[in-house]
Amino acid sequence: IAGITQAPTSQILAAGRRMTLRCTQDMRHNAMYWYRQDLGLGLRLIHYSNTAGTTGKGEVPDGYSVSRANTDDFPLTLASAVPSQTSVYFCASSQERTGELFFGEGSRLTVL
Amino acid sequence: AQSVTQPDIHITVSEGASLELRCNYSYGATPYLFWYVQSPGQGLQLLLKYFSGDTLVQGIKGFEAEFKRSQSSFNLRKPSVHWSDAAEYFCALQETSGSRLTFGEGTQLTVNP
Repeated sequence: IAGITQAPTSQILAAGRRMTLRCTQDMRHNAMYWYRQDLGLGLRLIHYSNTAGTTGKGEVPDGYSVSRANTDDFPLTLASAVPSQTSVYFCASSQERTGELFFGEGSRLTVL
Repeated sequence: AQSVTQPDIHITVSEGASLELRCNYSYGATPYLFWYVQSPGQGLQLLLKYFSGDTLVQGIKGFEAEFKRSQSSFNLRKPSVHWSDAAEYFCALQETSGSRLTFGEGTQLTVNP
């Protein structure tokens, strides 16, 4: 069972470049989330999707966009990367409306 | 707005010693509460959760947590720590079933041999 797969695992990116972080789940979960993790700040929600075809903004959505064309995929796009977007990004999903999240292993992004 | 505070950024304990990680929350009603663990280079894994009922909740890996409404706390405990427990621990709050989680800042646990 793969669970949640994120790609790439790690990436160094020049400022101003466009970048898409991929997230795929095989658990048929309805809800999916993107978090960023920064030292001392914990995890902050960027965007979420409660079901395919719908998305919503989280706590720190600026500079990021998402789409949810189907149940399994939830890509996160940085249209024009800036150094403050250097972070570790986690994709997560949940089936029931219980709050239990299943996380991917993260994508470490460095913007220079 | 709701918030979660983990007062201890870093805790060091000796293997075999007891452990308590603190979590305080701010919310007008009784929230749903969670503890997650993150091993180095990994995603987060659920340790335990509190929705209602018994205020002492048992989780995986020998962990437990106690919900104290009067103190707005949900502290995580383990009677005897193992070296493999070294990780970062996150407390999280959910206002209602299905709403998004709010995470605390995390507590890094180091276990000395």
